[in-house]
Amino acid sequence: AQSVTQLGSHVSVSEGALVLLRCNYSSSVPPYLFWYVQYPNQGLQLLLKYTSAATLVKGINGFEAEFKKSETSFHLTKPSAHMSDAAEYFCAVSVFGNEKLTFGTGTRLTIIP
Amino acid sequence: DTGVSQDPRHKITKRGQNVTFRCDPISEHNRLYWYRQTLGQGPEFLTYFQNEAQLEKSRLLSDRFSAERPKGSFSTLEIQRTEQGDSAMYLCASSSQTDSNTDTQYFGPGTRLTVL
Repeated sequence: AQSVTQLGSHVSVSEGALVLLRCNYSSSVPPYLFWYVQYPNQGLQLLLKYTSAATLVKGINGFEAEFKKSETSFHLTKPSAHMSDAAEYFCAVSVFGNEKLTFGTGTRLTIIP
Repeated sequence: DTGVSQDPRHKITKRGQNVTFRCDPISEHNRLYWYRQTLGQGPEFLTYFQNEAQLEKSRLLSDRFSAERPKGSFSTLEIQRTEQGDSAMYLCASSSQTDSNTDTQYFGPGTRLTVL
């Protein structure tokens, strides 16, 4: 079975600062990895996904993530935070042939003006 | 694409009542998923369909829960004899099996259930 651990349930960064949200996964087979964002009272929106192609994945809104097999990590970064980035971020994993997503517990990102 | 839609967006019910939620996937998406999200947690998988066939159910899905997808289009999730512990956001997602890469699941806005 696969699982995801998100370190830090709350992260605060200043506007314009680097955003780093951490995600570590566990999977016995090559994983597919995803980052989703959720704004209040809304569903989840896909930011980016890793599907065994390039290890550095670029997504929407200036976010990117790097798949590091040796560290079993898939951390999400953005060079410069914007006020509109304030939301809940979820890392998720699935595997080929078992496409249900297993989510982490989420990280709430707060942007300080 | 008009996106995944869910109805109703909010439902308040009394304990013991039955409730039914509807999900309309993106047109021509043959896979449909249901997840449940409680406060402060990530979504948890409940069940999924490929066309009209229900292929997997989580052990979270007790006997009081039933999901259908007649004709492989919209889906309904029914909860019988609701309990306060059923209060959560119920999310629906759809995906297309024909993607060359792994399916991307597109989520609806969710139905927030409150059981009094």
